[in-house]
Amino acid sequence: GAGVSQSPRYKVAKRGQDVALRCDPISGHVSLFWYQQALGQGPEFLTYFQNEAQLDKSGLPSDRFFAERPEGSVSTLKIQRTQQEDSAVYLCASSLRDLAVADTQYFGPGTRLTVL
Amino acid sequence: KQEVTQIPAALSVPEGENLVLNCSFTDSAIYNLQWFRQDPGKGLTSLLLIQSSQREQTSGRLNASLDKSSGRSTLYIAASQPGDSATYLCAGGSGTYKYIFGTGTRLKVLA
Repeated sequence: GAGVSQSPRYKVAKRGQDVALRCDPISGHVSLFWYQQALGQGPEFLTYFQNEAQLDKSGLPSDRFFAERPEGSVSTLKIQRTQQEDSAVYLCASSLRDLAVADTQYFGPGTRLTVL
Repeated sequence: KQEVTQIPAALSVPEGENLVLNCSFTDSAIYNLQWFRQDPGKGLTSLLLIQSSQREQTSGRLNASLDKSSGRSTLYIAASQPGDSATYLCAGGSGTYKYIFGTGTRLKVLA
């Protein structure tokens, strides 16, 4: 089935490098979310897109984090000048509708980022 | 700041038992609530979504309830099976999309 896919699945970066993480949501899904999950913790909200519009970026931990969804489908989360504390699993989720009502979120498998 | 506590943190039971997983929020102003399962190395799978106007949801052997007055939710799993082994996460939303997650209950069902 055509679920949410993410690439790469694993990424190792040296401290200071820039990384780009890709998310392919379910086709036709309006809403897209990024989460950060540290080891042994629940996911934490990073940002939300409705189509191509980034409506909420309140969870981005610093200005080194940047996300985009230019055509309202594929999204990229970019982290500049990576730090060790950025090591985590980055999860992408999509849902069919906009946010007039709460909707089931479908998650991808995540990208595990390790910063050395 | 909203915090979510899940009890127990880990649980190991023989196959066939009925289980209760608990989730509580420091701020009871929860608009909606989702329960997810997470398998090792994988993303989250939504199990049940309780909308703002609802108090419980059922799907197969799963039943989730939400008591908004106390900020507590319960996930009931009937007749547990080894395939139910996973980490179960609850997530509460103060609006329609921004969820605060608990740290999960790691469940192991023994054959």
